[in-house]
Amino acid sequence: GDSVTQMEGPVTLSEEAFLTINCTYTATGYPSLFWYVQYPGEGLQLLLKATKADDKGSNKGFEATYRKETTSFHLEKGSVQVSDSAVYFCALTSNQAGTALIFGKGTTLSVSS
Amino acid sequence: TAGITQAPTSQILAAGRSMTLRCTQDMRHNAMYWYRQDLGLGLRLIHYSNTAGTTGKGEVPDGYSVSRANTDDFPLTLASAVPSQTSVYFCASSLGQGSSPLHFGNGTRLTVT
Repeated sequence: GDSVTQMEGPVTLSEEAFLTINCTYTATGYPSLFWYVQYPGEGLQLLLKATKADDKGSNKGFEATYRKETTSFHLEKGSVQVSDSAVYFCALTSNQAGTALIFGKGTTLSVSS
Repeated sequence: TAGITQAPTSQILAAGRSMTLRCTQDMRHNAMYWYRQDLGLGLRLIHYSNTAGTTGKGEVPDGYSVSRANTDDFPLTLASAVPSQTSVYFCASSLGQGSSPLHFGNGTRLTVT
């Protein structure tokens, strides 16, 4: 079935460092791809999305490009801040459960000053 | 702005007891979902509803039931709780179209003793 694989964390960075969180997927058809962020004690919030190959989603300095040839959707940010510390989830649409999303296991990012 | 409201925020429940987790949205979204979040496992879909009056099973439906009597409400019921149902439960909703993002509530932390 459809699935998402994320790099395992935690990822620990210093402020202003470059961030990459890897995400690859397995899916039939042409899924839409998402990154969500979860701050402590809160629900998930949409960070960015891409709906077709070569699309680049971007928001708050984060970006990710839908790469169909490598089935990847890696999240990047050029200069992280302490406030970016959170758990990041990669997700895709699936034909297996209506319009529900399938999520990766999440990657914890910790940024220190 | 309310969005999705979940109740209770947290609960301790004795094994064998029943409980209903409440979820209400005010965005007139067609689709609603229940996920559970467990450390190391990410988010897993329990049940979903593409529109009022219909429901479907997700990845981990056993021990849970749902109903969708109207657009706004999507309660999740545990008929006879077991310790393995200790988790954080998230309700979400979306417009229910192709690449529609999910909007999440803040979750219910349930401990079954």
